Amino acid sequence: QVHLVESGGGLVKPGGSLRLSCAASGFSFSDYYMSWIRQAPGKGLEWVSYISNMGTTVYFADSVKGRFTISRDNPKNSLFLQMDSLRAEDTAVYYCVRNHGGPGELEIDSWGQGTLVTVSS
Amino acid sequence: QSVLTQPPSASGTPGQRVTMSCSGSNSNIGSNFVYWYQQFPGTAPKLLIYWNNQRPSGVPDRFSGSKSGTSASLAISGLRSEDEADYYCEAWDDSLNGPVFGGGTKLTVL
Repeated sequence: QVHLVESGGGLVKPGGSLRLSCAASGFSFSDYYMSWIRQAPGKGLEWVSYISNMGTTVYFADSVKGRFTISRDNPKNSLFLQMDSLRAEDTAVYYCVRNHGGPGELEIDSWGQGTLVTVSS
Repeated sequence: QSVLTQPPSASGTPGQRVTMSCSGSNSNIGSNFVYWYQQFPGTAPKLLIYWNNQRPSGVPDRFSGSKSGTSASLAISGLRSEDEADYYCEAWDDSLNGPVFGGGTKLTVL
């Protein structure tokens, strides 16, 4: 059974940094693309970033490009999101998700429970 | 402003059939698969439809998806109170070279 557990969320001041982690289990982690999806309070879903199964291809939404970095450690079944220069508009629940397929056909077949990031002074 | 456009709300009575739309362009829906997700308050979304019209195991056949040109639709027949949720469409966008979501439709069962 696929299990995704996010950690690292919390309260941070504008301009600050935070590193999210996602521990994956129940599947062959290195076989799958992984992504971070976020949802601001009371708002819709936004695809933040994805990374290919071997980490060679990454994507970032324009809203976070240059400020966020995605990485993975396949031997440790872990996904990371380094978030720098945080802004109030980055406040959201961040979901770690498993993807089925790849570029052109990226489906989300499993979700973590989410971790809340609040950017406020 | 979302790349894919969904009506913010939809409603129906128990037993009714409701549909909700997802409008895009040639660079997304017009040339790629559409996916639908269901989200209940306070919980993570769940995959409802993949490849335009396919249901994952466990999703009732009351839920169906379709696509025509640059638009897609999600239909729910035999509406139940437990279908009250937010529904999001998603597709790959060739111009952005990344996936995009619709803004979501909140379904209310009256």
